[in-house]
Amino acid sequence: ELKVEQNPLFLSMQEGKNYTIYCNYSTTSDRLYWYRQDPGKSLESLFVLLSNGAVKQEGRLMASLDTKARLSTLHITAAVHDLSATYFCAVDLYGGSQGNLIFGKGTKLSVKP
Amino acid sequence: ETGVTQSPTHLIKTRGQQVTLRCSSQSGHNTVSWYQQALGQGPQFIFQYYREEENGRGNFPPRFSGLQFPNYSSELNVNALELDDSALYLCASSPTSGGAHTGELFFGEGSRLTVL
Repeated sequence: ELKVEQNPLFLSMQEGKNYTIYCNYSTTSDRLYWYRQDPGKSLESLFVLLSNGAVKQEGRLMASLDTKARLSTLHITAAVHDLSATYFCAVDLYGGSQGNLIFGKGTKLSVKP
Repeated sequence: ETGVTQSPTHLIKTRGQQVTLRCSSQSGHNTVSWYQQALGQGPQFIFQYYREEENGRGNFPPRFSGLQFPNYSSELNVNALELDDSALYLCASSPTSGGAHTGELFFGEGSRLTVL
């Protein structure tokens, strides 16, 4: 059974600080997805990482993928309050690109002044 | 470009009843997936439809069933509702490129189901 594990599950940060969220998965997959969810809202796609060594950056967020270690990281630089949300990583159930995504439990990020 | 739309947004049912949730995919997207998200949890994959056929299924019992129509819209049906079925049901659509799935999902706002 495919497992996707995130840690930490809860993260309270001060504005201006840096931190990393980790996502481990248990099966071979050549791509990984990161999503953001605001309270009471739907999921918004952040990053699609397509191959080993892929790195993508958008604003204060940077995601990377190591398919050999089955590990992805989401790094937050100089956090601001607007980044407060729940972040999910996901991997395809069949290891490909069909979009049958298995999600982690999410990391709830709270950025405080 | 119209995004993924779902209806109804909220509904309340009682145990044992049946429910149908509807989803219109984003323009140009021919694949629709359904997810169940319990409070405080990550979305759980129910199934995916592509070209009107089921194209992958998660660990959900047969009382969860679906349809996809020629216009790519979709329905999720749940029979014999149980209390644990209370959740946010998310529909997501995705495009194919050159016949290949891209894997990236675009989610609707969801239908929140409460079972009493």
